[in-house]
Amino acid sequence: DIQMTQSPSSLSASVGDRVTITCRTSRNIYNFLNWYQQKPGKAPKLLIYAASTLQSGVPSRFSGSGSGTDFTLTISSLQPDDSATYFCQESYFSPPDDIFGPGTTVDI
Amino acid sequence: VQLVQSGAEVKKPGASVKVSCKASGYSFTGDFIHWVRQAPGQGLEWMGWINPDRGDTNYGQKFQGRVTLTKDTSISTAYMELSRLTSDDTAVYFCARAEFYSGSSGYYYHYWGQGTQVTVSS
Repeated sequence: DIQMTQSPSSLSASVGDRVTITCRTSRNIYNFLNWYQQKPGKAPKLLIYAASTLQSGVPSRFSGSGSGTDFTLTISSLQPDDSATYFCQESYFSPPDDIFGPGTTVDI
Repeated sequence: VQLVQSGAEVKKPGASVKVSCKASGYSFTGDFIHWVRQAPGQGLEWMGWINPDRGDTNYGQKFQGRVTLTKDTSISTAYMELSRLTSDDTAVYFCARAEFYSGSSGYYYHYWGQGTQVTVSS
């Protein structure tokens, strides 16, 4: 089984700050890694897929990088609307199982 | 594209629940439907997928023997049935359309249902 970790588990930052969230996997998943933003009471929203491809309509302050086992989500200039929980998700292994990271909560 | 799920459910321990997910705006048989749940204050937990074209399924190890995914292609609807419910099954259940990366076997969830609250309580 693959293990996925995220760090930090939570963070507090100010508007305009640069924020970086890390996702690590126990096995090589190449670039098969997606990032989601979730706000309370809502379904997750896709931000980044294939490690670094920005989903259409997502602000350009969001970016993703990494490959193999180490990945990062960066918010270049934090905005009030970015207060949310962020999850990574792997899509390399078949069949899937524990495919989501535990999440990182971002407070403004 | 929309995925519209059925409404909230309250069930007693030991009962079963069946949640529906009606797809519109795309070819229902073109992409797998995955089910994910989220317990209160917790993270996202993958449950399984169904291929709406052929009906084949795959379930997470934790849910093997308790979850059944089905579909009715005539009404573009997928179903998730979970049996032998306990209080630990209290959660919001989501369906999501899995779309492949271009030219790859990787996939992502762009479209999600709105979620269905299932509460298990005696």
